[in-house]
Amino acid sequence: DQQVKQNSPSLSVQEGRISILNCDYTNSMFDYFLWYKKYPAEGPTFLISISSIKDKNEDGRFTVFLNKSAKHLSLHIVPSQPGDSAVYFCAAAPWNNDMRFGAGTRLTVKP
Amino acid sequence: GAGVSQSPSNKVTEKGKDVELRCDPISGHTALYWYRQRLGQGLEFLIYFQGNSAPDKSGLPSDRFSAERTGESVSTLTIQRTQQEDSAVYLCASSFGRSAGNTIYFGEGSWLTVV
Repeated sequence: DQQVKQNSPSLSVQEGRISILNCDYTNSMFDYFLWYKKYPAEGPTFLISISSIKDKNEDGRFTVFLNKSAKHLSLHIVPSQPGDSAVYFCAAAPWNNDMRFGAGTRLTVKP
Repeated sequence: GAGVSQSPSNKVTEKGKDVELRCDPISGHTALYWYRQRLGQGLEFLIYFQGNSAPDKSGLPSDRFSAERTGESVSTLTIQRTQQEDSAVYLCASSFGRSAGNTIYFGEGSWLTVV
């Protein structure tokens, strides 16, 4: 039962342009949404989060948008840099923090 | 160290053998998770421990998989009679308490290869 879905396995963008990574979820009990970034041979690291009471959260070049009615969130990276190339995982959790992850999207930023 | 520690970092085992993977969470973290990532696939939830509550085992793929956690400390994931499809990186993560606002922190994973 895939409660968190990332339908794009990969994304390629040019350096300096915007990267938009999308995520959909099915469980209306999810309260908290996060994005993690993973480089090869490393564990995922936390990037940015948003709670269900907000619809936008910004941190530097990274912005997460949440549309609760559509059960959809997205991560915007602007401007994209080659060092952003990694796999990005969307995650969602209900109140008890039983976190579930999407399958990931591999972002490649070309110089 | 201050992070989530996993051992072994790499394990090669013969098909049919049992393996144990260990996770030391961050001190004070009551929640502990096991995930796995098979080659070319996403993070697959396996099991979740929260304090002294009964664990959520809904992600364990078969009865060959089991996990234990002693209190709020070390956890061990055991795979019995390993199969080649068990080859994956097994990731442990931990977080504070029950609030959904608590970020989870991952270890670097245990890379299992079944030959």
